[in-house]
Amino acid sequence: QSALTQPPSASGSPGQSVTISCTGTSSDVGTYDYVSWYQQYPGKAPKLMIYEVSKRPSGVPDRFSGSKSGNTASLTVSGLQAEDEADYYCSAYAGRNKLLFGGGTKLTVL
Amino acid sequence: QITLKESGPTLVKPTQSLTLTCSFSGFSLSTPGVGVGWVRQPPGKAPEWLALVYWDDDKRYSPSLKSRLTITKDTSTNQVVLRVTNVDHLDTATYYCTHISGVYNNDYWGPGTLVTVSS
Repeated sequence: QSALTQPPSASGSPGQSVTISCTGTSSDVGTYDYVSWYQQYPGKAPKLMIYEVSKRPSGVPDRFSGSKSGNTASLTVSGLQAEDEADYYCSAYAGRNKLLFGGGTKLTVL
Repeated sequence: QITLKESGPTLVKPTQSLTLTCSFSGFSLSTPGVGVGWVRQPPGKAPEWLALVYWDDDKRYSPSLKSRLTITKDTSTNQVVLRVTNVDHLDTATYYCTHISGVYNNDYWGPGTLVTVSS
């Protein structure tokens, strides 16, 4: 069981928006603004999509956005495209040399 | 352009030690604030953070694996080495090395190397 809780699956039609949640505790997500989101295609390495809750690395489309409320962080993908179909993982710094990952969410574009 | 690549054995026997090398380019591990880390991902499961080393040789380890991990850097050859002792089947995973900026921000990843622990 992963330390951060994500829904196993999410889906949406092209053009729609979908939000994936990542629930931690007051010791990690709730305390530190060091939440990241990764996109992973089968057989490939994860790719950083969001860091420090809501910042986008250069080259990541602005369709991807992040937010946090209390112990739960969220990734929103707007204007869904077929290429967004992938696994998404959240991670959160938990202090004391701990970096936690969520169990992952498989995003399906219908 | 930052690139990283992992290398090491693909098959290791239980109780043996595993040594993985990360060779990188496009940045210097002497630059303040920069680090290199390791993350592993068992087949079909979520990633798990293992360890990192910063530019100033500050080393951090996952508390659950700390006793079995050693990370070292060689700035002159642009390599970081991770050693895992006393492996068992639970250590079977794809191992990734990552470029780190800021607080544990894994912003670039190598392609990964699959390590299988089996007798």
